[in-house]
Amino acid sequence: GENVEQHPSTLSVQEGDSAVIKCTYSDSASNYFPWYKQELGKRPQLIIDIRSNVGEKKDQRIAVTLNKTAKHFSLHITETQPEDSAVYFCAARVGGGSYIPTFGRGTSLIVHP
Amino acid sequence: NAGVTQTPKFRILKIGQSMTLQCAQDMNHNYMYWYRQDPGMGLKLIYYSVGAGITDKGEVPNGYNVSRSTTEDFPLRLELAAPSQTSVYFCASSLERDSNQPQHFGDGTRLSIL
Repeated sequence: GENVEQHPSTLSVQEGDSAVIKCTYSDSASNYFPWYKQELGKRPQLIIDIRSNVGEKKDQRIAVTLNKTAKHFSLHITETQPEDSAVYFCAARVGGGSYIPTFGRGTSLIVHP
Repeated sequence: NAGVTQTPKFRILKIGQSMTLQCAQDMNHNYMYWYRQDPGMGLKLIYYSVGAGITDKGEVPNGYNVSRSTTEDFPLRLELAAPSQTSVYFCASSLERDSNQPQHFGDGTRLSIL
């Protein structure tokens, strides 16, 4: 089955800095890669996703890049703000199978004012 | 549009008691999932369903049961509650025509077993 590794487990930055979270996956048939943000005590919510036919996607201060050859994808947050502090989960889903995603273990992002 | 609704939000159980966590979605999603999240940890898949009448085990199914009699509802049953089942439980759903659909999560049920 699919295996997703996520790094780092904790990331501490100063407000205004950039943050990068990286995930690697094992199954080359994976074709959908969502990112979820979970604030303390809240539910995970989708913030951005990317399909395997796209190399990069941006939404304001958030971007995701995908390298299919190396089987890794990354979340980039620019000009971080205290409200970006949360746990971020990556996931990978194999196309044509049961569509059950495999999640990374999460990254706790702390943005210091 | 309520999305995914979970009840109750909080519950305290005694060891050996049973209960059902309710989950309902109004988006006509075919896929539904149950996850547990222990403090400071990631999401572990308990059970999932790809449509009414079809359920399958996830990563950590022991001690739980599910049913999917309708598209909308996907209840999770704990028969003999154990302290190891203290966790936050999230239900999720997605519309799967192909593999490129995100999951929508409920607000969670915080369960303590004492």
